[in-house]
Amino acid sequence: KAGVTQTPRYLIKTRGQQVTLSCSPISGHRSVSWYQQTPGQGLQFLFEYFSETQRNKGNFPGRFSGRQFSNSRSEMNVSTLELGDSALYLCASRILAGAAYEQYFGPGTRLTVT
Amino acid sequence: GQQVMQIPQYQHVQEGEDFTTYCNSSTTLSNIQWYKQRPGGHPVFLIQLVKSGEVKKQKRLTFQFGEAKKNSSLHITATQTTDVGTYFCAGNSGGGADGLTFGKGTHLIIQP
Repeated sequence: KAGVTQTPRYLIKTRGQQVTLSCSPISGHRSVSWYQQTPGQGLQFLFEYFSETQRNKGNFPGRFSGRQFSNSRSEMNVSTLELGDSALYLCASRILAGAAYEQYFGPGTRLTVT
Repeated sequence: GQQVMQIPQYQHVQEGEDFTTYCNSSTTLSNIQWYKQRPGGHPVFLIQLVKSGEVKKQKRLTFQFGEAKKNSSLHITATQTTDVGTYFCAGNSGGGADGLTFGKGTHLIIQP
């Protein structure tokens, strides 16, 4: 079974631009979560989607948004990029929503904002 | 909000020595998960603990969940170079919230 895939793997953007990241979960997994990972703050939860609905949201500004499609694929969007948005963005899928289910992470998208 | 503290932040050991990382939550957890992230890689699920006082073993790795379900530990016996990486705990406080709160991780550095 193929793992979680994320595209693109690397991205360089300029301050003020916007970016869209994509995540394809493991086949059959309906929950997709997004995390931001930085050396200083560690892994921080952004949001989780299940059946095209946002179930949970972390403490991030409204510039960070996401959506999920009927095939469970998910995208996240960051508008008006800031230098501090430079990070590894990880997507994780699980078979169902619920903290009891283990998460499978994708390789991440490394975003650099200049 | 829920906070998960993990110590130590870094641990240097000689190959063959034991290693332990500790995780403490500000709230009672419904479950705790452990992940390992190799340098340049992504977190990989190791195990989940659910019951108070639960102990689980995976070869040289021993995971414990505290009686009060507010702390957990991961112990590695006789470390090997393949154990290098960052170990994260991630907890959920339940109550309908499904999000996981990750600790900042313990970086394990092994000197041959």
